[in-house]
Amino acid sequence: SAVISQKPSRDICQRGTSLTIQCQVDSQVTMMFWYRQQPGQSLTLIATANQGSEATYESGFVIDKFPISRPNLTFSTLTVSNMSPEDSSIYLCSVERGTGQSQYFGPGTRLLVL
Amino acid sequence: GESVGLHLPTLSVQEGDNSIINCAYSNSASDYFIWYKQESGKGPQFIIDIRSNMDKRQGQRVTVLLNKTVKHLSLQIAATQPGDSAVYFCAENANAGGTSYGKLTFGQGTILTVHP
Repeated sequence: SAVISQKPSRDICQRGTSLTIQCQVDSQVTMMFWYRQQPGQSLTLIATANQGSEATYESGFVIDKFPISRPNLTFSTLTVSNMSPEDSSIYLCSVERGTGQSQYFGPGTRLLVL
Repeated sequence: GESVGLHLPTLSVQEGDNSIINCAYSNSASDYFIWYKQESGKGPQFIIDIRSNMDKRQGQRVTVLLNKTVKHLSLQIAATQPGDSAVYFCAENANAGGTSYGKLTFGQGTILTVHP
């Protein structure tokens, strides 16, 4: 399995500001994903981040709100823009071990927006 | 920690008992299924997976059963231990190995509490 780290692990932010979350993997991977887990809820896929191309967003998520970068095969960032209290969630990155294989998750970033 | 107790179904068992966690999935085209364990303050941890060409798969103390007829998935944990206490999620992936890489759809989750 891959070792995945995220920064920051948690943050408290003011509404209207933006936060960039980093995801680092210890090996090169093709597919990286960003999920949101709202309080007491399950995980919802935000977007798929491929190196060298634009991220693919799921229904209900847009690039202006959640811009994603994928500069190389071991790193990605997710920005939560113009935050509101409704953005308070856990944000998780994951990587796919192989084509159509299981995904491994990072520890998550716990975001509270006041 | 997260307020996971407000919305999720719960299962309470005694240490040493066997646990069965159930999941109904929605997409008949799903061909790959995964169970994850999420402890408080951590990301989901892979437990076991199964492909649609199988109906049973066993790991260490865990067994996953797949019934495609009724779109039902279950996770059995043998000799449950206090360290098994966590939230358990099933996830499905349609067209695994095709073009829909990584489009996991997660179930609502079940809180498992193991009493010593």
